[in-house]
Amino acid sequence: NAGVTQTPKFRVLKTGQSMTLLCAQDMNHEYMYWYRQDPGMGLRLIHYSVGEGTTAKGEVPDGYNVSRLKKQNFLLGLESAAPSQTSVYFCASSRTSGNTDTQYFGPGTRLTVL
Amino acid sequence: QQPVQSPQAVILREGEDAVINCSSSKALYSVHWYRQKHGEAPVFLMILLKGGEQKGHEKISASFNEKKQQSSLYLTASQLSYSGTYFCGTEMRSNSGYALNFGKGTSLLVTP
Repeated sequence: NAGVTQTPKFRVLKTGQSMTLLCAQDMNHEYMYWYRQDPGMGLRLIHYSVGEGTTAKGEVPDGYNVSRLKKQNFLLGLESAAPSQTSVYFCASSRTSGNTDTQYFGPGTRLTVL
Repeated sequence: QQPVQSPQAVILREGEDAVINCSSSKALYSVHWYRQKHGEAPVFLMILLKGGEQKGHEKISASFNEKKQQSSLYLTASQLSYSGTYFCGTEMRSNSGYALNFGKGTSLLVTP
């Protein structure tokens, strides 16, 4: 039982390049989330999903897209990376509704955009 | 909208107590607390629900004042293992479902 895994762990991009971050969970959770963490800013919600095939915007969705084609996977895409997107990205999942259930976090992806 | 946490940072000696506060400008239905150690992922500590229900574990307690839209986390007889950054999360509702807005965090350092 791996819990929540994220791929890759580290990545360096040049401005304008694109990439996809993969989050996978093996707990059959309905809800999945993507956060970014910057020094002094806490965890900020980018996008989330309440079930397979559904996504919703969080606090800071601009410059990102997501997809949830399979229940266990939640993908975060950067179409044209910018230095402002340098951050640590965390994925999380919860069994049910995000307001009453525990969120389980992945180990994070450290992204640097030059 | 991010909830506001205070203090931003606190340094304790082992065995001392600390209180971390979380306040929101919106009505609160639930408050979540997580702890993150340096270089690691956040880990769940506790959920407090409107009506008084509390879900959690460990030797950490919390309160939830719905009228004041505040929650406080109480760390008593602190241990070295309590060091880390503590985040509170408050409920964010939308037509698409529920998620959490996290505060900026409170850094706690427990020294020997």
